[in-house]
Amino acid sequence: DAKTTQPTSMDCAEGRAANLPCNHSTISGNEYVYWYRQIHSQGPQYIIHGLKNNETNEMASLIITEDRKSSTLILPHATLRDTAVYYCIVLFSGGYNKLIFGAGTRLAVHP
Amino acid sequence: DTAVSQTPKYLVTQMGNDKSIKCEQNLGHDTMYWYKQDSKKFLKIMFSYNNKELIINETVPNRFSPKSPDKAHLNLHINSLELGDSAVYFCASSQDLGGGYGYTFGSGTRLTVV
Repeated sequence: DAKTTQPTSMDCAEGRAANLPCNHSTISGNEYVYWYRQIHSQGPQYIIHGLKNNETNEMASLIITEDRKSSTLILPHATLRDTAVYYCIVLFSGGYNKLIFGAGTRLAVHP
Repeated sequence: DTAVSQTPKYLVTQMGNDKSIKCEQNLGHDTMYWYKQDSKKFLKIMFSYNNKELIINETVPNRFSPKSPDKAHLNLHINSLELGDSAVYFCASSQDLGGGYGYTFGSGTRLTVV
């Protein structure tokens, strides 16, 4: 599975959009980009995933660049409850996969 | 109705003891996992099970013995507990081995070995 690089930490003001970047320059054509988050003391939570098209759900939007070497997770109106560690993970499509967590980005949403 | 439930939530025990953590999922998923999160907060996969069968043991010491009586349950038994086993253990499940539809995690079991 391709490796990912994320900033260690980010800040965001409550009510503003939080844009979390992820680099995955070695991603292959059949690997998906997944985002999870872990709010303090809780189990990780699935957010969204995509292959090459932009995706949106009730939690977030995922923007993947045309060359697929990077992506951005967007929380459109961050709240204090969005304070968490966000993980960008690349997974192969099909066969056996295992979710490998890196260090992630610690997002702090402040009033 | 909790999708992936673990018991107990907290476990404090002495070195050398044997303990078990239970996990149940009601999502109808085929694949279940155990993860360990140590004090440095890194999440590491320990085991993967698919339809009650062990798929991967991620070089975990054999003091750790997972058991899956059916595909909805994956329990973790730990023998001869050591101080270094202190961590938060998370159970997770996914629809299939590919995990393409996302993993669902339990709320964790905080194990403290004294």
